[in-house]
Amino acid sequence: AQSVTQPDIHITVSEGASLELRCNYSYGATPYLFWYVQSPGQGLQLLLKYFSGDTLVQGIKGFEAEFKRSQSSFNLRKPSVHWSDAAEYFCAVGSGGYQKVTFGTGTKLQVIP
Amino acid sequence: EPEVTQTPSHQVTQMGQEVILRCVPISNHLYFYWYRQILGQKVEFLVSFYNNEISEKSEIFDDQFSVERPDGSNFTLKIRSTKLEDSAMYFCASRQNQGSGEKLFFGSGTQLSVL
Repeated sequence: AQSVTQPDIHITVSEGASLELRCNYSYGATPYLFWYVQSPGQGLQLLLKYFSGDTLVQGIKGFEAEFKRSQSSFNLRKPSVHWSDAAEYFCAVGSGGYQKVTFGTGTKLQVIP
Repeated sequence: EPEVTQTPSHQVTQMGQEVILRCVPISNHLYFYWYRQILGQKVEFLVSFYNNEISEKSEIFDDQFSVERPDGSNFTLKIRSTKLEDSAMYFCASRQNQGSGEKLFFGSGTQLSVL
């Protein structure tokens, strides 16, 4: 069965600092991988996705993620964090087909001035 | 960008009561989903729906749950007799087709509180 692990429950970074959120997945075949962001009171917004091709994926809001098959990882990065990036971030893996998506437990990002 | 709309944003109910959570998926979408997120836990898949029938459901989605697309625009989740542990944020999602490039659009959620 597919699964996702986000080892960091809570991360605090200073505004302007770089960010890396970790994600490890377990899936038998080539995975469909996603990062979603959830701001307080909001729904889930897709930041980026990986299905195939270039392993470095660019997303919205200046985020990128790199798929590393050998490490079963799909870490999210941003070179310079803004205060508005404070939110909860979810890594997810999709099964293809009807695309049932399995989410990780989330990483809550706090940005300090 | 098109949106999935969910109403109400917050619903409070008594244990044992029936609730219906409503969703309006994006108009040309064909695949519909419900997910839920219990406070402090991860987002969990409940059910997927295509061509007027359930295509996949999780073990959470027991006989107390049902989904319906009553009128071609709404997509509802009914909980027949709510339990305290049904308290969660419920997300509706939709996507256009089965292609791998298709994005899953989520609504902003309905917070269900069972007292």
